[in-house]
Amino acid sequence: QSVLTQPPSVSGTPGQSVTISCSGGRSNIKINSVNWYRQLPGTAPKLLIYSDDERPSGVPDRFSASKSATSASLAIRGLQSEDEADYYCAAWDDILNEYFFGTGTKVTVL
Amino acid sequence: VQLVQSGAEVKKPGASVRVSCRASGYSFTGFWIHWVRQAPGQGPEWMGWINPRNGRTKYGQKFQGRVTMTRDTSITTAYMDLTGLKSNDTATYYCAKEGGNGDYFFDFWGQGTPVTVSS
Repeated sequence: QSVLTQPPSVSGTPGQSVTISCSGGRSNIKINSVNWYRQLPGTAPKLLIYSDDERPSGVPDRFSASKSATSASLAIRGLQSEDEADYYCAAWDDILNEYFFGTGTKVTVL
Repeated sequence: VQLVQSGAEVKKPGASVRVSCRASGYSFTGFWIHWVRQAPGQGPEWMGWINPRNGRTKYGQKFQGRVTMTRDTSITTAYMDLTGLKSNDTATYYCAKEGGNGDYFFDFWGQGTPVTVSS
C-alpha cells in the first residue's frame, strides 16, 4: 500500500502536454524531496526527476516537475511516442520511516 | 556506471534466495545501494539500503527479520538475502545506486533479477 497516489492513466496526442499528479501527505511530500521515475515494459525504472525538480543529465527539458504542499506533479511537454511508459513518483515518509513509490501512472500516446 | 545482477532464480516456498549486484564505474563505498522489488503487474516496492562503506543497513518494516543486505568491498558487490520465501515474494528484484547518500534518489539501476517462488 503506497502513501503516494497517482492517477492510473493519462493520455495525449503527439505534441500535446500532459501532467501527472502525485498526492501525498505532511509526512512525505510536504517535507521530503520527490523523485520521478519512468519505466518501459520489461526494463528497470529510470530516474527522470530528483529533489523535486532537478533533471539528471541526459533527461530532456520536455520533462519538468513541481511540488506544492502535499502534492507534486510531473509535466511532459511535446509528447512523443517514446514517452509511452509507466511513471512513478517517490518520496521518503518520516512517520512510516520508509521510502514509497507512488501507485503509478500509465501514459498512453494516442 | 554499471550494476550487474545475478541471474533468475526459481525457489520453493520456505526457501531462501541470494541476489548479487556487482558495481563498477564509480566509487563503490561512496554511495548507498538500495534494493527494490517489483511484483508482476505492480509498482516498485522499496526493501532497504546498505552503506557499502561501513555495512550499515536499514530495512523496510515489511522485510525486517527476513532480509539481510551485505556487501564485499573487495569485489564491489552487494548482496540481498531473503528468507522464508512465499509465493507473493515472486518479483523482479533490483539493486540501485543512490545519487547522494540519504537523498533517496536512485540514478543507476541493475538489470533486475526475476525470482519465482513456486512449489
